[in-house]
Amino acid sequence: GEDVEQSLFLSVREGDSSVINCTYTDSSSTYLYWYKQEPGAGLQLLTYIFSNMDMKQDQRLTVLLNKKDKHLSLRIADTQTGDSAIYFCAEGDYTGGFKTIFGAGTRLFVKA
Amino acid sequence: DSGVTQTPKHLITATGQRVTLRCSPRSGDLSVYWYQQSLDQGLQFLIQYYNGEERAKGNILERFSAQQFPDLHSELNLSSLELGDSALYFCASSVTSGSGSNEQFFGPGTRLTVL
Repeated sequence: GEDVEQSLFLSVREGDSSVINCTYTDSSSTYLYWYKQEPGAGLQLLTYIFSNMDMKQDQRLTVLLNKKDKHLSLRIADTQTGDSAIYFCAEGDYTGGFKTIFGAGTRLFVKA
Repeated sequence: DSGVTQTPKHLITATGQRVTLRCSPRSGDLSVYWYQQSLDQGLQFLIQYYNGEERAKGNILERFSAQQFPDLHSELNLSSLELGDSALYFCASSVTSGSGSNEQFFGPGTRLTVL
């Protein structure tokens, strides 16, 4: 079945770049997403990439997609303490309705 | 604030009971999605409604049911509750049924504790 995998923890120093990686199995996924969840809050959509794109940049965020290897990454430049959160990778496909499969989430710790 | 509201914020109940969780989507959004987030299962898609009709179904148990009303708010009904149903239940909404980028906006969640 469909599956999304990501590493569980990442620790970086403030000002460094963070790279969070994800692999997925469903090659028919139309869109791939990155969500952020802060403690006690719901998920916030950070960015998404269409499956026929290789890269998308949005301010400090860069998403890279390797469709051949089914690998997605999120790079956060100049990581700040406010970026500390759980980051979820997700894939989705439209088949009359929309089903989203989420990874387990990567907890990012940013050290001052 | 995403514009999606969920009530109640917290719910504590006993095994065997039935509860109803409520969600109001963002103004203008026609789709509502329900998700369950637990420590052992992670974030799981349960079900999607679009303009009152069921459109996609995920790992939703038979004890759980949902509906979307004409005013577009949605309710998730959980019955014969078990300890393992304790989780955060999120509702999300989007404009379309899923075509396009389908950006979903999440509510703050309802934390259900089954004792």
